[in-house]
Formats: sequence, structure tokens, C-alpha cells
Amino acid sequence: DAKTTQPTSMDCAEGRAANLPCNHSTISGNEYVYWYRQIHSQGPQYIIHGLKNNETNEMASLIITEDRKSSTLILPHATLRDTAVYYCIVRLRNQAGTALIFGKGTTLSVSS
Amino acid sequence: NAGVTQTPKFRVLKTGQSMTLLCAQDMNHEYMYWYRQDPGMGLRLIHYSVGEGTTAKGEVPDGYNVSRLKKQNFLLGLESAAPSQTSVYFCASRKTGDNEKLFFGSGTQLSVL
Repeated sequence: DAKTTQPTSMDCAEGRAANLPCNHSTISGNEYVYWYRQIHSQGPQYIIHGLKNNETNEMASLIITEDRKSSTLILPHATLRDTAVYYCIVRLRNQAGTALIFGKGTTLSVSS
Repeated sequence: NAGVTQTPKFRVLKTGQSMTLLCAQDMNHEYMYWYRQDPGMGLRLIHYSVGEGTTAKGEVPDGYNVSRLKKQNFLLGLESAAPSQTSVYFCASRKTGDNEKLFFGSGTQLSVL
């Protein structure tokens, strides 16, 4: 799996958009980008994933650069409950015999 | 659906004691995983299973054993607990298919004194 680099921490004001970057310059053509978050020691929660096109769901948007070497997770209107550690993971889709590897992620702090 | 349920939620052991953590899922998922998370760290994979009756080692398998006798259950055993195994343990599952959408349990806080 390709290595990812994320900032250790970020701050965001409540109601503003939170843009969380992830660098994955060694990503291969068939590896997907996955985002999870972990709220205060709860189990991680799946947010979104994508290959090359931008993706949006009820939780967030995922913007992947054209060269696929980086991506940004966007929480359009951050709330206090979005304070969490956000993990960016790059991996082959449905790769048998292995599992997602979580790094240290980005700690997002949303304040009022 | 309850999703992924872990028992117990908290446990304190003395060094050398044994215990089993239970993970149960009611989503008919094929894949199940055990992770541990230490303070300030990401999750590290201990063992996983790709189906009933099969298990495999992850990143940090030493000191742990697992069993998947039933599809819905994945057990994590500590035969002789050590203080280094003090951690939060998370179980996760996912369906066979074309996504890596993991569903996690709420965790077990284990302290080994």
C-alpha cells in the first residue's frame, strides 16, 4: 500500500469548511483513497473513498488531484461533533488477505 | 441490527492471567479484524479472518491467539497477559465485495497490571 502523509493537527471554526489534506505521491493506478475518522476513542467510522473522480456523500466530499498524488477531504460546514482524528488510507480495492492500515492521522479540532 | 458488538467493554488483568475478548457481528460479514490502539497511536492490526474457520496474522500478532469457529464471532485470546498488552482493542468487520468499508465495535479497554 502507498504511504500517506497528513498534517498532525488542524483547527477549524464551527460552521466553516474543514479541508483536510493528504499526500500520497507513490499511489499506483489502481489504488483507492479511503477516509475514516475516530471520535474520542470510539471505533473508527468510514467516511468516503474514491479512485480518481471527486466523490460526495452525506458526510463529506473527496477531491483527488488529477495526478492522484494528493487528495483533500472536505467537511462543508464543520460542527463541534466533527472534532476527531481523520485517517487517510491508500489501498487496493478489495485486496484479499490483508487489511486497512491506519497511521496517526490528522487531529481536527472544531471550535465555536 | 446491533452491528459489531464487543465484550467486555473494560477489563483489568494481572500479569500472567488469561482472557478472551469476544467480537460478534450480525451483518453476515465474511471479514473480521482485531486491532489495538495505544495512546497517541494509530490502530495496529493484530489478527484477521477472511471467513469462518480461517485466521491470519497481522502486524502485531505475538502474544495473541484468535479463533473464528462461527461466522458471526471472532475471539481474541491472551494466554498470559503482559503489561505491554495494556491497550484499547477494536474489532471490525466488512462484507466480501468491492469496498473496504469497515464497521467497528466500540472497543475494549484492557489494563494489565
